[in-house]
Amino acid sequence: NAGVTQTPKFRVLKTGQSMTLLCAQDMNHEYMYWYRQDPGMGLRLIHYSVGEGTTAKGEVPDGYNVSRLKKQNFLLGLESAAPSQTSVYFCASSQPQPQRSEKLFFGSGTQLSVL
Amino acid sequence: SQQGEEDPQALSIQEGENATMNCSYKTSINNLQWYRQNSGRGLVHLILIRSNEREKHSGRLRVTLDTSKKSSSLLITASRAADTASYFCATQSLYGNNRLAFGKGNQVVVIP
Repeated sequence: NAGVTQTPKFRVLKTGQSMTLLCAQDMNHEYMYWYRQDPGMGLRLIHYSVGEGTTAKGEVPDGYNVSRLKKQNFLLGLESAAPSQTSVYFCASSQPQPQRSEKLFFGSGTQLSVL
Repeated sequence: SQQGEEDPQALSIQEGENATMNCSYKTSINNLQWYRQNSGRGLVHLILIRSNEREKHSGRLRVTLDTSKKSSSLLITASRAADTASYFCATQSLYGNNRLAFGKGNQVVVIP
């Protein structure tokens, strides 16, 4: 099993351009997440989904949109990229557990630079 | 949202020594988790400790949780060069959307 796969691994955008990051998981997990990681900031939750067709805002959702049309895929879109969105983006998935103690499985990340 | 805060931020030790990292948080939690991140890679789950547990072991890892002080520690015993990584704590709140909130991370360098 591949686990959580993110594409692309690297991308450079100009300010104002748009792009979509794709996340795919083969573990049949219900929950999926998008985080961004910035130096000294740890990981911050952008958006998440608790099932196919559902999405919800996380801690830093502005400037991003997401879609979960299929259970195995979670797309993160930047409609008009800004330099402040330069970051490493991580997708993760998890399966609901008793007592809400699910652990996350992460992809290897996408390094995005916005010039 | 609450966030764990690890302390210290960076640690450099010799192979074979023990490494200890601390994490503090602000609100009531359901559980606390520790993750490892190797350079350029995604995070990998290490261990989960529930709010009603005080200590948990997994191989060379020992995690303690003190809910009265809202703090946790991760101990890596007999460290190896392969333990060189960043370590993050993450808390799942009892309230709100229950999503994991991550701390800023501890960088650990184990010198062979």
